[in-house]
Amino acid sequence: EAGVAQSPRYKIIEKRQSVAFWCNPISGHATLYWYQQILGQGPKLLIQFQNNGVVDDSQLPKDRFSAERLKGVDSTLKIQPAKLEDSAVYLCASSLDRVGNTGELFFGEGSRLTVL
Amino acid sequence: AQKVTQAQTEISVVEKEDVTLDCVYETRDTTYYLFWYKQPPSGELVFLIRRNSFDEQNEISGRYSWNFQKSTSSFNFTITASQVVDSAVYFCALISSTLGRLYFGRGTQLTVWP
Repeated sequence: EAGVAQSPRYKIIEKRQSVAFWCNPISGHATLYWYQQILGQGPKLLIQFQNNGVVDDSQLPKDRFSAERLKGVDSTLKIQPAKLEDSAVYLCASSLDRVGNTGELFFGEGSRLTVL
Repeated sequence: AQKVTQAQTEISVVEKEDVTLDCVYETRDTTYYLFWYKQPPSGELVFLIRRNSFDEQNEISGRYSWNFQKSTSSFNFTITASQVVDSAVYFCALISSTLGRLYFGRGTQLTVWP
């Protein structure tokens, strides 16, 4: 079974530039998550989709971050314009159902962003 | 408020030693789930275990064991006879039934030396 796919693995940009990350979840998984993991910290949820609808985006900095999952399958996370503090690993995860129901998230390897 | 505390930032042991990773959580909900995830150098978080708040039975899976104690709000993880391949960052996490959002601790970096 293919895992969660993410690209690119690494991205270096200058502040005020834009960047986009792509995620393809495990086939059949209804729920997709984007997490931000700053060095030395645990992952923090940015946005959660159930199929193509947003369930939770309360921690997404909406002035610069946006995410979409148009067809309920793959998803894109965009940052525009980027700030130095956005340097982090962006992890995508998926689950069959909401994590409180099924308990297990499957994570991709992440996209490491460095903002100079 | 939901909170997960992993007080140990880094732990180093020599192969074959036993090691315990501590996790203390806070929640006002009576129904919640606790998790442990492993993050090897590749970066991908790997699910290890989930416990619900109504099941305080300890669990053993090979060299791994988990001790869940509601009285002290702790969910500790023990690796017996550690191996170099156990070197990773380990995260404890909590989700409550009302908020539905997974909260991670800051993680514990475990290094096992040969």
